[in-house]
Amino acid sequence: QLQLVESGGGLVKPGGSLRLSCAASGFAFSDYYMSWIRQAPGKGLEWISYISGSSNTIYYADSVRGRFTISRDNAKRSLFLQMSSLSAEDTAVYYCARHDRRYYDNSGYYPWGQGTLVTVSS
Amino acid sequence: EIVLTQSPGTLSLSPGERATLSCWASQSVSSSYIAWYQQKPGQAPRLLIYGASSRATGIPDRFSGSESGTDFTLTISRLEPEDFAVYYCQQYGSSPYTFGQGTKLEIK
Repeated sequence: QLQLVESGGGLVKPGGSLRLSCAASGFAFSDYYMSWIRQAPGKGLEWISYISGSSNTIYYADSVRGRFTISRDNAKRSLFLQMSSLSAEDTAVYYCARHDRRYYDNSGYYPWGQGTLVTVSS
Repeated sequence: EIVLTQSPGTLSLSPGERATLSCWASQSVSSSYIAWYQQKPGQAPRLLIYGASSRATGIPDRFSGSESGTDFTLTISRLEPEDFAVYYCQQYGSSPYTFGQGTKLEIK
């Protein structure tokens, strides 16, 4: 069964760092692009980063470039998001999602994880 | 960056009625790379439509997508009680892969 499970969210002070993880199961993880998407409380969806199966291709949204780093460990079937220099504007539920088409970045997202909440506050 | 604008912001309809949700792109979206998602409170989004008009696996045929230039439409032919949710369009033709701001479909 296709499944993505995020972890690592929590309360962090402004300027702090946090590392999110996403554990994948039920599919050939290394064959798929993966993305992180976030949703601030009561707001819409914001794509923030994606990574190819081989980690050779990585893109970031302007809002996080230079502060966030996406990575993956295919042997452990895991996706990561290292976040630093956090501010209140980064408070959101963070979702990982698989790009639905095998080997392609141009794809809708299926499935999504359940999300993990990151709260940046002093 | 391609900006997606969804309309209306809120749509109030009754079960059994037809819903038409719009998504306008600020520039051409390559290869019709538009997806639609449904999100219910406290849940992750669910993929409904990809490639502007192809239904994702397991999605009922009352959901359909269409396009006309830079205008994209999600139609729900006959609303079921479980269809009342927030709907987002997304373009994945060029980075950054932007989302629209969402349309809330509420029960009238």
